[in-house]
Amino acid sequence: SQKIEQNSEALNIQEGKTATLTCNYTNYSPAYLQWYRQDPGRGPVFLLLIRENEKEKRKERLKVTFDTTLKQSLFHITASQPADSATYLCALPLSGGSYIPTFGRGTSLIVHP
Amino acid sequence: NAGVTQTPKFRILKIGQSMTLQCTQDMNHNYMYWYRQDPGMGLKLIYYSVGAGITDKGEVPNGYNVSRSTTEDFPLRLELAAPSQTSVYFCASSPTSGAEETQYFGPGTRLLVL
Repeated sequence: SQKIEQNSEALNIQEGKTATLTCNYTNYSPAYLQWYRQDPGRGPVFLLLIRENEKEKRKERLKVTFDTTLKQSLFHITASQPADSATYLCALPLSGGSYIPTFGRGTSLIVHP
Repeated sequence: NAGVTQTPKFRILKIGQSMTLQCTQDMNHNYMYWYRQDPGMGLKLIYYSVGAGITDKGEVPNGYNVSRSTTEDFPLRLELAAPSQTSVYFCASSPTSGAEETQYFGPGTRLLVL
């Protein structure tokens, strides 16, 4: 099954800067990859989905890239704000052909004013 | 729409006790899931269901049971609580189509087994 690696150390950045989070996977290349946001004490909330044939996807201040050669997705938040502080999880199918997602442990983002 | 609701929000159990975590969704989603999340860890899939009457094991099913008698409800049963089951439990649902669908999560149930 798929193994997902996200940086376990918190990412601290200053307000206004671009935050970049990394999601690496180790086995087969998934058909898609998702990013979720999770606030303390709450369930994850879906942000973006990117398919294997898409290099980049944007939504407002969010941008996701997907490099199947590197087996990596990057998640960018431009002009970051303190309200963006949260844990960000990536998710991809548990195995080839599966529709059941498996989640990484997430990376905590802290945006300082 | 209320989305996905879970009860209770928090519960303390003694070792060996049993309980049922409730999950209800009002979006008419066929797919429903139960995850557990330990501190600093990702979500681990316990069980999932692709429709009423159909359930299947996820990555960590031991010590749990589920049933799915209706589209709306997907309860998770702990028969003999153990300290290792201390965790936050999330229920989620997704629309009919499967593969690329996003999941909608409930607010979670925090369980402490002492």
